[in-house]
Amino acid sequence: AQRVTQPEKLLSVFKGAPVELKCNYSYSGSPELFWYVQYSRQRLQLLLRHISRESIKGFTADLNKGETSFHLKKPFAQEEDSAMYYCALKGVDTGFQKLVFGTGTRLLVSP
Amino acid sequence: NAGVTQTPKFQVLKTGQSMTLQCAQDMNHNSMYWYRQDPGMGLRLIYYSASEGTTDKGEVPNGYNVSRLNKREFSLRLESAAPSQTSVYFCASSVSGQGTYEQYFGPGTRLTVT
Repeated sequence: AQRVTQPEKLLSVFKGAPVELKCNYSYSGSPELFWYVQYSRQRLQLLLRHISRESIKGFTADLNKGETSFHLKKPFAQEEDSAMYYCALKGVDTGFQKLVFGTGTRLLVSP
Repeated sequence: NAGVTQTPKFQVLKTGQSMTLQCAQDMNHNSMYWYRQDPGMGLRLIYYSASEGTTDKGEVPNGYNVSRLNKREFSLRLESAAPSQTSVYFCASSVSGQGTYEQYFGPGTRLTVT
């Protein structure tokens, strides 16, 4: 079964504090993982993908196959980071690759 | 490019009424998707279309039908709306369902069924 778990519904931090949004996955094959973000009144958009090993807006995420995790991290949170974050897994079903999303974590960064 | 567009933005239906949510993309993408977003449940796939002329069920297809009208357009129909279908509906598209790809999302349709 393909499943993505985001254990925190809400994560509240102060500006300048480190942030870690947790994501764990269950998948029998070789996973591809993504983080999508939805800012207030905006559409859902891709933040980063694990295969790119990139840092976007100061966020990074490392795939840990041993712990089946793909946590999103940022050393110093900014108020503009406040948004809904979804972890997503690209699984394979009947040859077509679809995204399986977690339930999302709302990040609230206070001044 | 407008990207992915959806109409309407908001809709209120009475139980038993029908309606069609429209989605169009101008990025020449092959694959299109319909999701619903509910609090505490994230995004769940309703139906998808791998390419023009094909459609398949996702995780929560009951109560919905879809039509891939052409490469650009993918509509979602509720034949007899129920309160459980109150949700925010998102359409998305991607280049294809193969390989590493990004899904591009529309702005959403907020549907309330009373």
